[in-house]
Amino acid sequence: DAGITQSPRHKVTETGTPVTLRCHQTENHRYMYWYRQDPGHGLRLIHYSYGVKDTDKGEVSDGYSVSRSKTEDFLLTLESATSSQTSVYFCAISESGGLVTEAFFGQGTRLTVV
Amino acid sequence: DAKTTQPNSMESNEEEPVHLPCNHSTISGTDYIHWYRQLPSQGPEYVIHGLTSNVNNRMASLAIAEDRKSSTLILHRATLRDAAVYYCILRDENDMRFGAGTRLTVKP
Repeated sequence: DAGITQSPRHKVTETGTPVTLRCHQTENHRYMYWYRQDPGHGLRLIHYSYGVKDTDKGEVSDGYSVSRSKTEDFLLTLESATSSQTSVYFCAISESGGLVTEAFFGQGTRLTVV
Repeated sequence: DAKTTQPNSMESNEEEPVHLPCNHSTISGTDYIHWYRQLPSQGPEYVIHGLTSNVNNRMASLAIAEDRKSSTLILHRATLRDAAVYYCILRDENDMRFGAGTRLTVKP
């Protein structure tokens, strides 16, 4: 199994509080991704990173920010959590630009905003 | 906008072949076709990918139409463990976006 760890695995937080989710990899892969998964929507890309300090927005980036200060860690921050951000969040890593390489996914973080 | 179109659900009997279709009429010349699946309560896992030619691996086969506007994932003998949501994705240089996928049910 690819070395990818998400933390925490479960979190309950209150509306308006900041939340940071962490994705840690031991594979030295260049690309890292954050997705959210909601019933009826499949996985939707939030942000991705193609290198240290190189990030870009995905299709549902509003309300989220990311940071990647070192290769192994990709942080997803909800500055002020809302109930609409209750979801399961998945991190993924990929060795290169992705045309020919597979991506590996973490086990997910279940976030509940009350 | 979704780049791929898949049926919402399909059913199969155990130990029979399964053909999961995917339409991608707007595919560009550099897009690779990737398939992932997601078992219940798990993150997605890679199944197979291809560009133009048909591909085989230990999990499945991928048949790509000559015009590349559609593809089919083939599970040669479905097992109960193959029950999952299957995603067909067009990967470009930096992005990887999932559609809703096909939920495969395997009946004993």
